[in-house]
Amino acid sequence: DADVTQTPRNRITKTGKRIMLECSQTKGHDRMYWYRQDPGLGLRLIYYSFDVKDINKGEISDGYSVSRQAQAKFSLSLESAIPNQTALYFCATSDREAGANVLTFGAGSRLTVL
Amino acid sequence: GQNIDQPTEMTATEGAIVQINCTYQTSGFNGLFWYQQHAGEAPTFLSYNVLDGLEEKGRFSSFLSRSKGYSYLLLKELQMKDSASYLCAVDSSASKIIFGSGTRLSIRP
Repeated sequence: DADVTQTPRNRITKTGKRIMLECSQTKGHDRMYWYRQDPGLGLRLIYYSFDVKDINKGEISDGYSVSRQAQAKFSLSLESAIPNQTALYFCATSDREAGANVLTFGAGSRLTVL
Repeated sequence: GQNIDQPTEMTATEGAIVQINCTYQTSGFNGLFWYQQHAGEAPTFLSYNVLDGLEEKGRFSSFLSRSKGYSYLLLKELQMKDSASYLCAVDSSASKIIFGSGTRLSIRP
């Protein structure tokens, strides 16, 4: 099994629908991140969390919300999806105890909003 | 603001050497990372620099100059499998990890 698991891997939805992308990890890491990737724009940080009580906005948090239900689970929600939220979304984790904040990524969730 | 710049695309020949540059301006600095991302896959960690100088790991090396806000990734003895995007990222203030837009490297035989 993967260390960082994202579900769903692919999703097509319509404008205005509520969407939740889920991320779970078995690495025991305390830090979790959500990024979106668009062609030519690289990875942009949406939200990040250092533990269940610590949620931080990233570069592009508008239109998104997150929930850290447990140390191992970090969900990203789009309350009312719009077409420009069509993107590849990555969850990542890192370990505060390690010397460097190296990210381990999930396989990605491709979201299409029609 | 925060800004990380790297070239959009580069092309190199199999067996040669290529250098991918990255310049950054961030509100804080706790280290710089290079990740490799093959098409359709997740990024994977390549290297980390927090002090000035060169870090070597096999065919890949990464250099950092904090005073210049500059890093490069050096790939030697290029192989076709090195065709990928290379992402520069900075661990900035409050452990916010920010990425550049990536450099797509194509290797020709």
